[in-house]
Amino acid sequence: GAVVSQHPSWVICKSGTSVKIECRSLDFQATTMFWYRQFPKQSLMLMATSNEGSKATYEQGVEKDKFLINHASLTLSTLTVTSAHPEDSSFYICSAQAGSGRQETQYFGPGTRLLVL
Amino acid sequence: AQSVAQPEDQVNVAEGNPLTVKCTYSVSGNPYLFWYVQYPNRGLQFLLKYITGDNLVKGSYGFEAEFNKSQTSFHLKKPSALVSDSALYFCALHTTGRRALTFGSGTRLQVQP
Repeated sequence: GAVVSQHPSWVICKSGTSVKIECRSLDFQATTMFWYRQFPKQSLMLMATSNEGSKATYEQGVEKDKFLINHASLTLSTLTVTSAHPEDSSFYICSAQAGSGRQETQYFGPGTRLLVL
Repeated sequence: AQSVAQPEDQVNVAEGNPLTVKCTYSVSGNPYLFWYVQYPNRGLQFLLKYITGDNLVKGSYGFEAEFNKSQTSFHLKKPSALVSDSALYFCALHTTGRRALTFGSGTRLQVQP
């Protein structure tokens, strides 16, 4: 149980185009999902908290107009990188929160590697 | 502000020997502590967590971690390392006030045959 999928697993796009990444909780419902970014040989940095049915909460320094997050259902959150540029190339990882209170645990997707040419 | 420190970039251990990956934290209030493992080009896999109660937490693949409140540490341990344990390990925490995880910098574990 507690499986999270991401699609696509990798994507190459041209500078200026937009890319959508999907994050799905396959066997549980998640009112809260998180989007992280990981640079090579570095830790995960939280980009935003995605709440089902409401606006995402972005971390300081993350452009909400560039990284659009939609959490339209209890099993799906999407991250759209708009007008992508080479500096947006990174490994994007989502997580979905299962359980509540003391049982809360985040389960992570396999990640999406984005390369912007 | 809350933070997680993993003081070792890399830990090398021989197969069959015990391993320890260190983690210390700083937080206001009670922490919820986690260990995750990441294999190359993959997402993170949940290993174990400490919420409250017994200070020794047992998790997946034979790993365990010991919560030490006085030393603000949550070291990951395994009695006998396997070559397949070689991966990148992350310690993380959240609190009731901030549910997003704060990660340490990661420790690369290399188990030599």
